[in-house]
Amino acid sequence: AQSVAQPEDQVNVAEGNPLTVKCTYSVSGNPYLFWYVQYPNRGLQFLLKYITGDNLVKGSYGFEAEFNKSQTSFHLKKPSALVSDSALYFCAVSRNSGGGADGLTFGKGTHLIIQP
Amino acid sequence: AAGVIQSPRHLIKEKRETATLKCYPIPRHDTVYWYQQGPGQDPQFLISFYEKMQSDKGSIPDRFSAQQFSDYHSELNMSSLELGDSALYFCASSLGQGEPQHFGDGTRLSIL
Repeated sequence: AQSVAQPEDQVNVAEGNPLTVKCTYSVSGNPYLFWYVQYPNRGLQFLLKYITGDNLVKGSYGFEAEFNKSQTSFHLKKPSALVSDSALYFCAVSRNSGGGADGLTFGKGTHLIIQP
Repeated sequence: AAGVIQSPRHLIKEKRETATLKCYPIPRHDTVYWYQQGPGQDPQFLISFYEKMQSDKGSIPDRFSAQQFSDYHSELNMSSLELGDSALYFCASSLGQGEPQHFGDGTRLSIL
């Protein structure tokens, strides 16, 4: 069975500084990895994905993520944080059931707080 | 751009009642997913459909059932509701395996 770990419940970063939100995964076979962001009482918004190819993936709103197969990690990064980036971030992995519409397994989420 | 539409946005039921949640995917998306998110929890995958056929099944209770119709909208039917079913229920749609799932804003179900 697949699993995702986000070791930090909360990450605090000063505005303008680089940010990193950590994610490690466990899955059999090649992973399909995703990052989503959730604002209060809203659905999850897709940020970026890794399926195959370059280990550095660029996504929405200036976010990027680095896939590291040997460390089974997929950390989310941004060079310069904005106050508006404050939200709940989820890392997810596809279940790879083989059915063609695999659900996602999410990590517990990391609250990102950007301080002005 | 069109997004995933869920209805109703809020629903209040009593124990042992039934509820039906509806999901209208983004146009041309043929794949629909259902998730349950409890307070302060991560979303838990329930079930998915591809081209109107059940595709993947997660932690969906036997009291729940779902289907995808010919126009690709989906309904989640919930019976014998329990207090623990109080949660935010999300629907997502995508263009298929490996493609991003796009989420609706959810239905908040409260069981009294």
